[in-house]
Parts: sequence; structure tokens; C-alpha cells
Amino acid sequence: DVKVTQSSRYLVKRTGEKVFLECVQDMDHENMFWYRQDPGLGLRLIYFSYDVKMKEKGDIPEGYSVSREKKERFSLILESASTNQTSMYLCASSKTTGQGSYEQYFGPGTRLTVT
Amino acid sequence: AQSVSQHNHHVILSEAASLELGCNYSYGGTVNLFWYVQYPGQHLQLLLKYFSGDPLVKGIKGFEAEFIKSKFSFNLRKPSVQWSDTAEYFCAVNANQAGTALIFGKGTTLSVSS
Repeated sequence: DVKVTQSSRYLVKRTGEKVFLECVQDMDHENMFWYRQDPGLGLRLIYFSYDVKMKEKGDIPEGYSVSREKKERFSLILESASTNQTSMYLCASSKTTGQGSYEQYFGPGTRLTVT
Repeated sequence: AQSVSQHNHHVILSEAASLELGCNYSYGGTVNLFWYVQYPGQHLQLLLKYFSGDPLVKGIKGFEAEFIKSKFSFNLRKPSVQWSDTAEYFCAVNANQAGTALIFGKGTTLSVSS
């Protein structure tokens, strides 16, 4: 069964802390994505990666960075957390070729609160 | 730039009423179209998708959507809603090219009263 897992369901951090959000997929997918979900704004793309060590900025990359050292793992890093980064963070993955390409599978999300 | 517009922010229906949620997209090339659903406290799940072929696609739980290319629309329908359909619904599009990210609409909250 398709599975994307995220390290925490809920996280509370203080302003200025460095925050790591981890995402792991077990489907051998090439592509991985980080979105943030805010009420009334839908999901917005932060960063994505189409291969190990490759990354591309999405629509709202400011204040975030990412790391992809292994194919199955994609980390989102908040270098210095701020209150406007309080949000739900969703990780997704997809494969590049074959049946089912383009379709993204989502993790359960991490609800981050920055105080 | 690509964009997705969902017409309704919040829809309130009684059980057994029919549902139609509007979705229009802006993109010049070939696209893939999706509807996702998020039940309270749950993962985002795929309801249905359109890649090519028959523009009327059927998904899970009795949902269907029709792709009208000339109108850049992909509206979601269900003939008779149930209380358990209460959820947030997202329309999304990506380019028909491997590895491209999804562009989401802002979502429609559906509340169904029993």
C-alpha cells in the first residue's frame, strides 16, 4: 500500500528555533513535494525535488529550505521559525514514469505552531 | 501563470440534495485534473482524476466530474449527498509532464446536515 509518513502530527516551537520536518515515502517515487495548507488559501507549494540532491523552489520558498539526501526522504527546514509559519505542512510524492504518474500521494500532515 | 479557481467557499446542503462544485483553471497546455477531499482530521485523499479520454470521470463514493476543455472547467458532482460527505474539497491541476507540482484551488467546505 502506498505510504507517505511525516515525523510529527503536531509540533510546537518557539520563535527563532530551527525546525526540521521529515517526510518518508516507501514507494520508490522520484518526486517529492512540500506544501503548506492555510484556511482559505488552499495548498501552496513551498519546494519540490525531482531527484536526490535536486530541489526547486515553489511559490512560497521564503523562510524555508529543503534537503534530499536519500530518495525516500525529503526534509523541510525552517531556519528561524516565525509566527507566520504557523500552519499545516503536507508532504507528497509522485513517480515520474509508468502508470499512475502525475498522481500525488499525501502524508497526514504536520500541524506546526510557532509561539 | 497557472491558477485554479473554486467558485464556492462554503456550501451547505441537506442529505439527499444534489451537489455541484465548480472549478476552473488557467493553463495554456495539456493538463491533468484532480479533485481531492479532506475529511475532518484525516489525510488528503484523491477523489478522482482526469488525464485523457472520456471527459466524464467517476471516482470513489459516487462522485463524478466532467472536463469541459472549452470552458477550462472540471466541476465535481454527486447526485445525492450524505452526511459523511462533510469535508473540504480541493480541485487541483498540473501540467501533463512528469514531476510537476500540483496547483490547488482554495478549497470548498461542504457541510451536509442530516
